[in-house]
Amino acid sequence: AQKVTQAQTEISVVEKEDVTLDCVYETRDTTYYLFWYKQPPSGELVFLIRRNSFDEQNEISGRYSWNFQKSTSSFNFTITASQVVDSAVYFCALVTLNTPLVFGKGTRLSVIA
Amino acid sequence: DAGVIQSPRHEVTEMGQEVTLRCKPISGHDYLFWYRQTMMRGLELLIYFNNNVPIDDSGMPEDRFSAKMPNASFSTLKIQPSEPRDSAVYFCASRNTTGGLSGNTIYFGEGSWLTVV
Repeated sequence: AQKVTQAQTEISVVEKEDVTLDCVYETRDTTYYLFWYKQPPSGELVFLIRRNSFDEQNEISGRYSWNFQKSTSSFNFTITASQVVDSAVYFCALVTLNTPLVFGKGTRLSVIA
Repeated sequence: DAGVIQSPRHEVTEMGQEVTLRCKPISGHDYLFWYRQTMMRGLELLIYFNNNVPIDDSGMPEDRFSAKMPNASFSTLKIQPSEPRDSAVYFCASRNTTGGLSGNTIYFGEGSWLTVV
């Protein structure tokens, strides 16, 4: 069975600080996809990134970066120079070829001005 | 692409009434999912379809809930009769598994916010 663990329930940082959100996953499948979604106060689930299990290359998109390490089954998300608009709940999720998306419980990030 | 479209965005109904939530997946996507989100239970998978066929409905809470996907571009989630504990945000999502390396991203609709009073 698939499982995603986000150990950090809530994080609070001051604007311009860097923050890393942790995600650890479990699966026996060799082909899988990992996701991060952002849920702002308005409630929608916004897709941020997808990583497939065969691509461990880290990715950077503006102030966002993701560190995928199969050796530790982790897919961590770092926001550099955080801004108030980054305040949201962030979900890490996992899907395999034939199973639905499994979510972590989410990390609530509060960025204080 | 228009994305996953859900309706209604918000609904307030009285206990005992029938509620129908609607979803239009992204064109060409072969999977459709219904999730429910509450403060207590987080995001729960209710049911999902592959090529319009229900694959797993084990997450449907009870017989009051039913879901259909009559064609590739439309799905409904029905609650009859509704109860206050059904109050939640219901998300529809779709996935394309045939897109090769660029596929398999799962996109969500904006959600249907249901309040049963």
